Amino acid sequence: QVQLQESGPGLVKPSETLSLNCTVSGGSMTSYYWSWIRQPPGKGLEWIGYVYKSGSTDYNPSLKSRVTMSIDTSKSQFSLKLNSVTAADTAVYYCARARQQVVDFDYWGQGTLVIVSS
Amino acid sequence: DIQMTQSPSSLSASVGDRVTITCRASQSISTYLNWYQQRPGKAPSLLLYTASTLKSGVPSRFSGSGSGTDFTLTISSLQPEDFATYYCQQSYNAPRTFGQGTKVEVK
Repeated sequence: QVQLQESGPGLVKPSETLSLNCTVSGGSMTSYYWSWIRQPPGKGLEWIGYVYKSGSTDYNPSLKSRVTMSIDTSKSQFSLKLNSVTAADTAVYYCARARQQVVDFDYWGQGTLVIVSS
Repeated sequence: DIQMTQSPSSLSASVGDRVTITCRASQSISTYLNWYQQRPGKAPSLLLYTASTLKSGVPSRFSGSGSGTDFTLTISSLQPEDFATYYCQQSYNAPRTFGQGTKVEVK
């Protein structure tokens, strides 16, 4: 059974960088897009972007200038960095696996709440 | 970006009811449409992909239909565990976008 687990600080100061990791277990990292999706409290889902095993990335244009994603298949991990954060970046951040052929998010982590506050 | 609009935003229903949720895309997306269920405090989970294909393990009371711009998710007989929020998501192109959600509440 594929499992994903997010890790990282739950509190980030405004203007600083949000950094999260996602550890994948129970499956291969090949042939999938490894994704980040966020959900502000009480609101809907926003796709942040994804990284492929080769390191190639695709980001949401609304966040592209502030986002960096990377992958380390040897550690079965991928990561998200979001810089210059503001209160508007407060959200539950999910990592998820997307199947290449249909780009559906078939496995998700439990999510981690990141609060941006001084 | 492709805008996804769900209706209604919320609905009240009883156990055993037939429930239908609609999702409309701002442009044609063929059948590149996926549905998710999110229970309170939990991550979303995939129900159907490519508009009508049930993910393995998902109960058959869930079904989906549609193509182009108009799609529906139907729950044939609502069960207690189905009270949740449902999201559609287009996988036609990037950025991948979600509908705003439909909350199914107890009547």
